[in-house]
Amino acid sequence: QVQLVQSGAEVKKPGASVKLSCKASGYTFTSYAVYWVRQAPGQRLEWMGWINDGNGATKYSQKFQGRVTITRDTSANTAYMELSSLRSEDTAIYYCARGALFGASHFDYWGQGTLVTVSS
Amino acid sequence: DIVMTQSPDSLAVSLGERATINCKSSQSVLYRSNNKNYLAWYQQKPGQPPKLLIYWASTRESGVPDRFSGSGSGTDFTLTINSLQSEDVAVYYCQQYYSSPLTFGQGTKLEIK
Repeated sequence: QVQLVQSGAEVKKPGASVKLSCKASGYTFTSYAVYWVRQAPGQRLEWMGWINDGNGATKYSQKFQGRVTITRDTSANTAYMELSSLRSEDTAIYYCARGALFGASHFDYWGQGTLVTVSS
Repeated sequence: DIVMTQSPDSLAVSLGERATINCKSSQSVLYRSNNKNYLAWYQQKPGQPPKLLIYWASTRESGVPDRFSGSGSGTDFTLTINSLQSEDVAVYYCQQYYSSPLTFGQGTKLEIK
């Protein structure tokens, strides 16, 4: 069965960076894009970016451009999301999700989420 | 950016009754070349990630009970839950995937009356 298993909770200080992982299993990793979506307390879900299947090209939300980097290791079936220059407003649950379509997509499977807390 | 607005923000419905959640997009998410609406619905229970219920505005995801249905086109969409069950208590979100940035509604909290 398809599974996306994310790394554990993180606590970071303002200005630091965080790198989260998302390990996929149960399907051909390079046949589907992986997306990152975050959910801050009391806020709506927010799309951050994706790394597509095939060539691993990335696309980021303008809101996070310059601060977010999504990569993958196809040998480990794992995608990564690094967010830099953290501020308190980045405190959120970060989800990875599998895109059902090529390009802009809805999400058919989700990771369990990783809580990132940014606090001095 | 396409802004997704859901209504109501919360609602309480009796067990066995129908719940209706609306979602309006600030511009059309209907792609005329394939006549598909790029609109999905998700269910999120406390402490869990969202779960895909509906895509293409009205196609039910495999394994989703048929009491869940989606309708609408263009800018106005509806999620209907017939014969409400206790396990349907959750927050429901719509999402457009017509254009980047992909955007979500603010969520609708569904409770039992």
